[in-house]
Amino acid sequence: AQSVTQPDIHITVSEGASLELRCNYSYGATPYLFWYVQSPGQGLQLLLKYFSGDTLVQGIKGFEAEFKRSQSSFNLRKPSVHWSDAAEYFCAVGATNAGKSTFGDGTTLTVKP
Amino acid sequence: DTGVSQNPRHKITKRGQNVTFRCDPISEHNRLYWYRQTLGQGPEFLTYFQNEAQLEKSRLLSDRFSAERPKGSFSTLEIQRTEQGDSAMYLCASSRRRGTNSYNEQFFGPGTRLTVL
Repeated sequence: AQSVTQPDIHITVSEGASLELRCNYSYGATPYLFWYVQSPGQGLQLLLKYFSGDTLVQGIKGFEAEFKRSQSSFNLRKPSVHWSDAAEYFCAVGATNAGKSTFGDGTTLTVKP
Repeated sequence: DTGVSQNPRHKITKRGQNVTFRCDPISEHNRLYWYRQTLGQGPEFLTYFQNEAQLEKSRLLSDRFSAERPKGSFSTLEIQRTEQGDSAMYLCASSRRRGTNSYNEQFFGPGTRLTVL
């Protein structure tokens, strides 16, 4: 069975500081991996995805993530956080034939001025 | 792409009533998914369709829940005899085939927030 763990429930960073959100997954084969962002009361917006190839993937809004198979991790990073990045972030794993995706419970990001 | 749309955006109902939600996927996306999200949790998979065929249902989808996608376009999710525990955000997503047996990422709609009093 596939599963996702996001160890940090809540993270606070200062505006302009760097950010790393952790994601660990469990999946029996090569997974599809995703990061989504959700603002209050809204649906999910895809930030980036990993299907295959280069393990460092670039996404929208200046985010990037690195797939590390040996660590079963897919951590999200941003070098300089903006106040508008405050939101909830979800990591997800899916199969290549893309039935369901399994989501972590999310990390809430607060940005201090 | 006009995006995935869901209606209504909010629904308040009394316990025991039936409710129906609609999802319109991105055109030409042949897979459509339903998820449920409660406060403080990530979305949980409920069911998905490939065209009009329902390919998988989660154990979360009790007998009171039914989903249809009759013409392979829009989908409806009905909850009969609602319970307070059904209060949640119901999210719809769609995706498009890439290659022989793989699919692109899922694009999500804004969700329908259900409150059962």
